[in-house]
Amino acid sequence: NAGVTQTPKFRILKIGQSMTLQCTQDMNHNYMYWYRQDPGMGLKLIYYSVGAGITDKGEVPNGYNVSRSTTEDFPLRLELAAPSQTSVYFCASSYRAQETQYFGPGTRLLVL
Amino acid sequence: QKEVEQDPGPLSVPEGAIVSLNCTYSNSAFQYFMWYRQYSRKGPELLMYTYSSGNKEDGRFTAQVDKSSKYISLFIRDSQPSDSATYLCAMGGAYNTDKLIFGTGTRLQVFP
Repeated sequence: NAGVTQTPKFRILKIGQSMTLQCTQDMNHNYMYWYRQDPGMGLKLIYYSVGAGITDKGEVPNGYNVSRSTTEDFPLRLELAAPSQTSVYFCASSYRAQETQYFGPGTRLLVL
Repeated sequence: QKEVEQDPGPLSVPEGAIVSLNCTYSNSAFQYFMWYRQYSRKGPELLMYTYSSGNKEDGRFTAQVDKSSKYISLFIRDSQPSDSATYLCAMGGAYNTDKLIFGTGTRLQVFP
């Protein structure tokens, strides 16, 4: 049982490039979340999903896109990367809403 | 006013000290209260989970919830250098939302 896995661990992007951050969970959780964490700023919710085919915006969705075609996978797409998107990105999942979330190890993204 | 307030620290204590970490919140509808521990360059991991009011103890850790004061605490007894991490509180159970609300985290340093 691997839990929540994320790839890549670290990436450097140039301004204007695009990339997809991958997230997979093997716990059969319905709910999945993407957060970004900036130093001293806590976790900010970008997008979340309550099940395959259903996604919704969080607190800071601009510049990002998501899809959820399967229960296991919840990729986060960055289009036209900007320096403001330099951050650590965490994916999380939970069985029910508002209950314990299990986090992945994170992806460090640097946009130059 | 933020929904959840948490002192960012850093809090620096000697080994063996009793540590008290706190969060206040404004939404009286919260019912689930959690503490996550996050080591440097890692994802948050669940430390304690409490439903509604009261205390919960797990080894050296005690979580307290005072719903009348909208205040939650995490106590660490006999603190160890391995407890050095950032501690985030999280809350859920409010109506009409699928999201947990996280505090910004308190950085704790336990020195030998």
